[in-house]
Amino acid sequence: QSALTQPASVSGSPGQSITISCTGTSSDVGSYNLVSWYQQHPGKAPKLMIYEVSKRPSGVSNRFSGSKSGNTASLTISGLQAEDEADYYCCSYAGSRVVFGGGTKLTVL
Amino acid sequence: QVQLVQSGAEVKKPGSSVKVSCKASGGTFSSYAISWVRQAPGQGLEWMGGIIPIFGTANYAQKFQGRVTITADESTSTAYMELSSLRSEDTAVYYCARFGFGARFDPWGQGTLVTVSS
Repeated sequence: QSALTQPASVSGSPGQSITISCTGTSSDVGSYNLVSWYQQHPGKAPKLMIYEVSKRPSGVSNRFSGSKSGNTASLTISGLQAEDEADYYCCSYAGSRVVFGGGTKLTVL
Repeated sequence: QVQLVQSGAEVKKPGSSVKVSCKASGGTFSSYAISWVRQAPGQGLEWMGGIIPIFGTANYAQKFQGRVTITADESTSTAYMELSSLRSEDTAVYYCARFGFGARFDPWGQGTLVTVSS
């Protein structure tokens, strides 16, 4: 059961936009609109940022948005801020199981 | 507002077992799924399995089949994850999380560090 594929790292300057990709297969990302994204700061529990591909939970900034095309989902963060620096994980439902991406470290320059 | 509070850190010997608890408050415990996710030091998140207390049956990631047991006690609104035959590679922070509508993990417990060392 392979993890979803994410870039190891991305970076951007304050105010810029970045996109993190998450590539799965036709058995997970491609089959279900049940992709979620999590933000994790060092030493903290993950926090839900996006669910069902593009929905934002209450309290999450509208600078965070999600999308999906085929087997690849994406998280876009616009207007980068220093506090966005964290690890980001994608996750997909896959029938009777759940699979996470390997994580992407976002550095705000 | 659902909150999940986990038991404290554990140090275990190789070959032994560990049982981590996750107590829920708020919401209706029986009706939502609780999943367990672990994170080895410096590594990513890994789904281990989950349970819906009202149904009582759990499902597990293939990797952990036969070694992990997830249970729930509705009377105390507490879920448990027991991992047996521990090895050093099982050293990790173990999180419980509600697995809710839309296949989302929210909220998460604070995490429990399990260290396996001789």
